[in-house]
Amino acid sequence: KAGVTQTPRYLIKTRGQQVTLSCSPISGHRSVSWYQQTPGQGLQFLFEYFSETQRNKGNFPGRFSGRQFSNSRSEMNVSTLELGDSALYLCASSLSLAGEGEQYFGPGTRLTVT
Amino acid sequence: AQSVTQLDSHVSVSEGTPVLLRCNYSSSYSPSLFWYVQHPNKGLQLLLKYTSAATLVKGINGFEAEFKKSETSFHLTKPSAHMSDAAEYFCVVSASGAGSYQLTFGKGTKLSVIP
Repeated sequence: KAGVTQTPRYLIKTRGQQVTLSCSPISGHRSVSWYQQTPGQGLQFLFEYFSETQRNKGNFPGRFSGRQFSNSRSEMNVSTLELGDSALYLCASSLSLAGEGEQYFGPGTRLTVT
Repeated sequence: AQSVTQLDSHVSVSEGTPVLLRCNYSSSYSPSLFWYVQHPNKGLQLLLKYTSAATLVKGINGFEAEFKKSETSFHLTKPSAHMSDAAEYFCVVSASGAGSYQLTFGKGTKLSVIP
């Protein structure tokens, strides 16, 4: 069974631009969660989608948004990029809601904002 | 509100000696607790989870953790460290209440294993 895949793996953007990251969950998983990982703040929960509905959201500004498609693939969008958005963005999928059981993580997308 | 505190940001052990990674939590509700491991340039992998069944939880690769409600702790242990255990470890608490849940990650503990 294929694991969680994230594209692209690396991305360099300029301040003020926007970016879209993609996540393909494990087949059969209906939940996709997104996390931001930085050396200073550690791992922070962005949001979770389950069956195309946002089920939970962390404390991030509205510049961070996401969506999930009917095939469970998910995208995350960050608008008006800031230097502080440079981070590793991880996606995780699970059969049930993220807080209820095991999550399977992708390798992440490394975003650098210059 | 809930929080997770991993008491050590870095732990160094010799190969073959015991490993202890400490985690304390606070939660207003009955929590589920997880330990994840992250090897360099890899995603996170679940080591073990506690979900209100047995308080001593066994995970993969010889790791185990004990849930101690009175101490609000969920420390991760392994009897004998292996070089391949060198990685970063995250303690995670999840608790649901009032129709939603909160998922909180600790800051991580980097484990070094000395040959």
